[in-house]
Amino acid sequence: AQTVTQSQPEMSVQEAETVTLSCTYDTSESDYYLFWYKQPPSRQMILVIRQEAYKQQNATENRFSVNFQKAAKSFSLKISDSQLGDAAMYFCAYRGNNNDMRFGAGTRLTVKP
Amino acid sequence: DTEVTQTPKHLVMGMTNKKSLKCEQHMGHRAMYWYKQKAKKPPELMFVYSYEKLSINESVPSRFSPECPNSSLLNLHLHALQPEDSALYLCASSQSRGLELAKNIQYFGAGTRLSVL
Repeated sequence: AQTVTQSQPEMSVQEAETVTLSCTYDTSESDYYLFWYKQPPSRQMILVIRQEAYKQQNATENRFSVNFQKAAKSFSLKISDSQLGDAAMYFCAYRGNNNDMRFGAGTRLTVKP
Repeated sequence: DTEVTQTPKHLVMGMTNKKSLKCEQHMGHRAMYWYKQKAKKPPELMFVYSYEKLSINESVPSRFSPECPNSSLLNLHLHALQPEDSALYLCASSQSRGLELAKNIQYFGAGTRLSVL
């Protein structure tokens, strides 16, 4: 079974600085998709960024980018120019051929003004 | 419109009650999902419907009964729940294109906060 590990339960960053959230996963599949979701205190899960495993190029979405290392099974999220609105729980997620989604335990990000 | 609507937002029920959670989307998505999320934990998949047919049931107790009456609606019927079933129940939907289901983005609702007394 696939597992997703987020080793940082909590992280904090100064406003306007950069922070990197770590995620590793375990799988025997060659084709799969990786996601970062954000869950603010309002509870609604919002997609931050998505990466297809067959693409070597790292995905980027404005201030958000990933460092995808397929051989190392690592998928970290970098947030540049952090803003107060970035404060939330961030979940890394894996989705493979059986169509279910496995989430990591989450990293709570605090942004200090 | 990328909205998934869940009702009610909050629900308190006794262990002998029967209640239902409702989820609705109008994005034309043909895959819908139920997740359970305990406090400070990640969401755990409960059920997946694809084209109104149950495709994944993650060994969920029978006191949870899902129903997909049409492509826009997903219900979760609750009966004889236990206090440990108290949690946030999240609904999500995504496009469903056969074997490429995995790549499709899931859009989540805001959830129903359920308390079982």
